[in-house]
Amino acid sequence: NAGVTQTPKFQVLKTGQSMTLQCAQDMNHNSMYWYRQDPGMGLRLIYYSASEGTTDKGEVPNGYNVSRLNKREFSLRLESAAPSQTSVYFCASSSDRVEAFFGQGTRLTVV
Amino acid sequence: QKEVEQDPGPLSVPEGAIVSLNCTYSNSAFQYFMWYRQYSRKGPELLMYTYSSGNKEDGRFTAQVDKSSKYISLFIRDSQPSDSATYLCAMDASGGSYIPTFGRGTSLIVHP
Repeated sequence: NAGVTQTPKFQVLKTGQSMTLQCAQDMNHNSMYWYRQDPGMGLRLIYYSASEGTTDKGEVPNGYNVSRLNKREFSLRLESAAPSQTSVYFCASSSDRVEAFFGQGTRLTVV
Repeated sequence: QKEVEQDPGPLSVPEGAIVSLNCTYSNSAFQYFMWYRQYSRKGPELLMYTYSSGNKEDGRFTAQVDKSSKYISLFIRDSQPSDSATYLCAMDASGGSYIPTFGRGTSLIVHP
């Protein structure tokens, strides 16, 4: 059982470049999330999707876009990367209020 | 002020100590209280949860919720070096979308 799979695991971008972070879950969960985690800041919600076909902004959506491609996949796109977007990005999914399942994270550095 | 406050630490204790990790919150609508554990360079994993108020015990771990004080705690008995990790509290209300609010996490170091 793979759970939540994120790709890539590591990425270095130059300022202004674009990229898409991929996330897939195999647990048939309706809800999916993208978080960023920075030292001392905890997990901050970027976007979430309550079900296939819906997406909503979280706490820190500026500079990001998302696509809920189908029930399994939820991608995060950086259109023009900035150094402030250097962070560790986590995708998660859940079927209830209690447990969210997280991926292994993507370590992104923007230079 | 954030909805959920958690001291980031680090908290350093000797092996065998009793550890107390805490969070305070301001939203009285929160009913679900979770503790996640995150090892270095890994994603968080659910450790345990409590619905509404009271205590819950699972092996060496005990979760407590005091809704009157808006205060939750995680106790770890007989702490082990393998307990060294970041512990994040998370909370959610009933109704609407499933969107937990996370604390910043407390870094725990248990040294032999």
